[in-house]
Amino acid sequence: AQTVTQSQPEMSVQEAETVTLSCTYDTSESNYYLFWYKQPPSRQMILVIRQEAYKQQNATENRFSVNFQKAAKSFSLKISDSQLGDTAMYFCAFMKQRNTGNQFYFGTGTSLTVIP
Amino acid sequence: DAMVIQNPRYQVTQFGKPVTLSCSQTLNHNVMYWYQQKSSQAPKLLFHYYDKDFNNEADTPDNFQSRRPNTSFCFLDIRSPGLGDAAMYLCATSGRQRGPTNEQFFGPGTRLTVL
Repeated sequence: AQTVTQSQPEMSVQEAETVTLSCTYDTSESNYYLFWYKQPPSRQMILVIRQEAYKQQNATENRFSVNFQKAAKSFSLKISDSQLGDTAMYFCAFMKQRNTGNQFYFGTGTSLTVIP
Repeated sequence: DAMVIQNPRYQVTQFGKPVTLSCSQTLNHNVMYWYQQKSSQAPKLLFHYYDKDFNNEADTPDNFQSRRPNTSFCFLDIRSPGLGDAAMYLCATSGRQRGPTNEQFFGPGTRLTVL
C-alpha cells in the first residue's frame, strides 16, 4: 500500500519569504508521479507542480520548486517570495499508473498561512 | 472553460435518507474519481471509473455506490447516510493514462450534512 506523510499540519511564513513544506512517501512502485495540490479556503483543489519519478531534475513552476530525493522517498515543496494568495491547504499526492485508471493517494495536508 | 462541476455545492439530508451527488465534466476525460474528505484530513478515494469500468477501493463501505451513465456524468449514491458520512465529497477527472495529462482536475466539492 502507498502512504503519503506530511509531518507539518500547520505552517506560517512572512510575505516575500521562502517556506518549505515536507512530504515523504512509501511505495514499492518503480515508476510513479508525485504532485503538490493547493486547496484555498472554500475553493477547489488545483495542481501546483508535478514530478515524474524517472526524472532526476527537480520540477519548477515559477515561484514553486520541489526537492525530489527518490532514494529517501522525499518530495518537498519550496515556495519562494510567498504571497498572500499562497495561503491554502497544500496536499502532497502520489500517483501510480494502472491500466484500470491511475490511482492517487494524498497526504493529510499542510495548512500554510502567509502573514502580511 | 473546460471544467469539473459538482451539484449541489451543499447538501443536507436526514439520517438514513438516500442522497445522490452529481458530477459533470467538459474535459472529455475518461477517468472520473470520487473522494471523501473529512475536516483536516486527506481526501480518501472511494472509487473511480475508467471509461465504463467501475473500480472500488477495498475499504469503501457498501453504503456508497456510483453510476456513470456517460462520459460526462458520474453520480455518487449514499444509500443510508449515517452521521459519520458527513464530509466534503470531491469529484475529480483525469485524462489518458500516459503522457502529460495524468494530473487530476477537481470539482469544487459537495459538502454533505447529515442530520
